[in-house]
Amino acid sequence: GQQLNQSPQSMFIQEGEDVSMNCTSSSIFNTWLWYKQDPGEGPVLLIALYKAGELTSNGRLTAQFGITRKDSFLNISASIPSDVGIYFCAGQLNNNNDMRFGAGTRLTVKP
Amino acid sequence: DVKVTQSSRYLVKRTGEKVFLECVQDMDHENMFWYRQDPGLGLRLIYFSYDVKMKEKGDIPEGYSVSREKKERFSLILESASTNQTSMYLCASSLRGAGTNEKLFFGSGTQLSVL
Repeated sequence: GQQLNQSPQSMFIQEGEDVSMNCTSSSIFNTWLWYKQDPGEGPVLLIALYKAGELTSNGRLTAQFGITRKDSFLNISASIPSDVGIYFCAGQLNNNNDMRFGAGTRLTVKP
Repeated sequence: DVKVTQSSRYLVKRTGEKVFLECVQDMDHENMFWYRQDPGLGLRLIYFSYDVKMKEKGDIPEGYSVSREKKERFSLILESASTNQTSMYLCASSLRGAGTNEKLFFGSGTQLSVL
């Protein structure tokens, strides 16, 4: 199946800094999603993207669906301590259950 | 709010034991999933189900089985637990349909240790 490469694996940043992470695939996807997992909890959906080139925001979060349909990125502006967690990208080709997840980016925010 | 409830947060079992992980969702979702989460590997799909009494293998079904006798409940079964099944197990559900299939709601996870 398709492999998702998510980077970086981990980030240590100062509160107030902006964050950028990305996900690339060897194959195209028709849907890209970004989830966040708080410590001790299951992942929660942040943003879903459905069209190549689409740019979508959710508060301080912005995500884009790459033009080639093989990549996506997530930006977090002005980070705060509660942004701490693991961020997962996920890609889906068809409208069935062939979703693939990246390995995650662990974010640490120092106050 | 959608609630996906997993019966145990932590489980410790011995090699060879039969293990049941239970998951219940309260939003009448058709789709239910079992993933395992391992550091550096992300989430990998074990089994999923589109409807009652229906099941499909995911990417790593070996050593696992599932049961979906009722719409709200999806059970993961380890027939004979092994140490390489030590992992975090996540249950998820979603509503069937374009634009909703992919929006998964996850439980808090069960950390299983097999000794």
